[in-house]
Amino acid sequence: DAKTTQPTSMDCAEGRAANLPCNHSTISGNEYVYWYRQIHSQGPQYIIHGLKNNETNEMASLIITEDRKSSTLILPHATLRDTAVYYCIVRVGQGGKLIFGQGTELSVKP
Amino acid sequence: GAVVSQHPSWVICKSGTSVKIECRSLDFQATTMFWYRQFPKQSLMLMATSNEGSKATYEQGVEKDKFLINHASLTLSTLTVTSAHPEDSSFYICSARDTGRQETQYFGPGTRLLVL
Repeated sequence: DAKTTQPTSMDCAEGRAANLPCNHSTISGNEYVYWYRQIHSQGPQYIIHGLKNNETNEMASLIITEDRKSSTLILPHATLRDTAVYYCIVRVGQGGKLIFGQGTELSVKP
Repeated sequence: GAVVSQHPSWVICKSGTSVKIECRSLDFQATTMFWYRQFPKQSLMLMATSNEGSKATYEQGVEKDKFLINHASLTLSTLTVTSAHPEDSSFYICSARDTGRQETQYFGPGTRLLVL
């Protein structure tokens, strides 16, 4: 599975959009981009995933560049409860394993 | 979203004893489940992949005789930490892949193990 690179930490003001970048320059054509987050002492929570088109759900939007080498997770109106470690993972859609990197620690501040 | 439960949520045991952790998919069938371990301030580390009705596949460096995995039904996988030692103290998290939607994988809340 392709490796991903994320910033170690980011801050965001409450109510503003949080934009979390992820680089995955070695992604293969059949690999999806997944985003999970982990709030302290809990199991990871699925956020969103995509292959090449931008995706949006009730939690977030996922923007994937045309060359698929990077993506951005957007939390449109961050709240204090969005403070967590966010993991960007690439894997084959069916059958692949989710291998976690170090993620981005997002701190949403009042 | 889909729900995955774990039991117990936390356990304290004496060194040398065995501990069993259950992972259940509550509203979907999971042919494949995964077990992860997470030490403080570290990321999740995949330990093994559990397939219903067959032997688990362990990641490199994980002792299969120490971490016994059983996946006897489409909604239940168990991890038994045998002869636990203090260094096995960790946060154990299971994950289940929805058989009907192979690209989707959900995580349990985790089990915190403390070995004294």
